[in-house]
Amino acid sequence: AQSVTQLDSQVPVFEEAPVELRCNYSSSVSVYLFWYVQYPNQGLQLLLKYLSGSTLVKGINGFEAEFNKSQTSFHLRKPSVHISDTAEYFCAVSEGGGNKLTFGTGTQLKVEL
Amino acid sequence: DVKVTQSSRYLVKRTGEKVFLECVQDMDHENMFWYRQDPGLGLRLIYFSYDVKMKEKGDIPEGYSVSREKKERFSLILESASTNQTSMYLCASSDQGRTAAYEQYFGPGTRLTVT
Repeated sequence: AQSVTQLDSQVPVFEEAPVELRCNYSSSVSVYLFWYVQYPNQGLQLLLKYLSGSTLVKGINGFEAEFNKSQTSFHLRKPSVHISDTAEYFCAVSEGGGNKLTFGTGTQLKVEL
Repeated sequence: DVKVTQSSRYLVKRTGEKVFLECVQDMDHENMFWYRQDPGLGLRLIYFSYDVKMKEKGDIPEGYSVSREKKERFSLILESASTNQTSMYLCASSDQGRTAAYEQYFGPGTRLTVT
């Protein structure tokens, strides 16, 4: 069965600094990978997704992620964060092209001045 | 834009009450999902439906049931609410059969408190 690990429950960072949010997955078959963002008191919104092709995926709001099959990772990065990036970020995996997603436990990104 | 709406943003119910949470999507999606979100646990799938009148259990179906009588509407039912069902409930929908299908669109959530 697939599983997703987000090791960092909270990541504090200063504005304009770079950030990396880590995501590792376990699966015995091919996967599709997603990052979602949840702003306070809102539902989840898709940031980016990897289905196939280039392993470097660019998303909205300047975020990007790299799929690394050998390390079973899909880390999210942004070179310079803004206060408005403060939110909770969830990594998710769909195994074998199925319609269900398995979510990680989330990483709270807090951007400080 | 895809829109997923949920009937209430905040709901307070008493232990033992029957609770209905409603979700409606306007994009003719085949798949609909109910999750609960708890701090430190992320999102956990309760039930999902891939067609009208079809449903499958997710990871934590105990204490819940669902109904999908129309394609656009998916209801979550707590037959007898308990305090351990206090949580944020999120509904989502997705298309089926195409590579873009795997993206799920979420509603704003219902924060349910059971006292």
